[in-house]
Amino acid sequence: QVHLVESGGGVVQPGRSLRLSCAASGFTFSTYAMHWVRQAPGKGLEWVAFISFDESVKYYADSVKGRFTMPRDNSQNTLYLQMNSLRAEDTAVYYCARGPLYSYDSRGAFDIWGQGTMVTVSS
Amino acid sequence: QLVVTQSPSASASLGASVKLTCTLSSGHSTYTVAWHQQQPEKGPRYLMNLNSDGSHTKGDGVPDRFSGSSSGAERYLTISSLQPEDEADYYCQTWGTDIQVFGGGTKLTVL
Repeated sequence: QVHLVESGGGVVQPGRSLRLSCAASGFTFSTYAMHWVRQAPGKGLEWVAFISFDESVKYYADSVKGRFTMPRDNSQNTLYLQMNSLRAEDTAVYYCARGPLYSYDSRGAFDIWGQGTMVTVSS
Repeated sequence: QLVVTQSPSASASLGASVKLTCTLSSGHSTYTVAWHQQQPEKGPRYLMNLNSDGSHTKGDGVPDRFSGSSSGAERYLTISSLQPEDEADYYCQTWGTDIQVFGGGTKLTVL
């Protein structure tokens, strides 16, 4: 069965860093593009970042560009989101989601979602 | 600028049908969209990919009650024979080569 499981969320002070993980199982992780999406409390979905299947291409939303990075370890079937210089407005549930097979760009729907991990940025 | 617009709320009676609308911004009327369902306190679930010609591909296990259609810049999600578990937020998604865009979501209430 195909699964994505996020972890690493928690409470962090403004200006600090946090790294989220997304463990994939049930499919050949190394052949799929991946995304991070977040949802602030009571709000809608906001796309955060994209990474191609081979890690050669990455795109970020303007709201996180320069602060967040999105590496992946295909040998460990794991996606990461490194979040630096966190702000109160980064408070949200963070979801990882699967993009298309062998994709080098951001086009295509997300067909598998994780259950999310909550990040709270507060002093 | 690529923008997706959805009505904030909709309601329909148990057993009835409802049609949710997603509108693409000017100049983007040929774009493909995806529909996702988010039940309360859960992560989103992929429902279908919907093309500008109305052809659509549903995700695994999505009931036949869910269908999609298109007209111009509008993309529709129709849910027939509404069930209590259909009460959820529904999001429309589209994309460019370096960006993904979500609509604000429609909260569906099953009466």
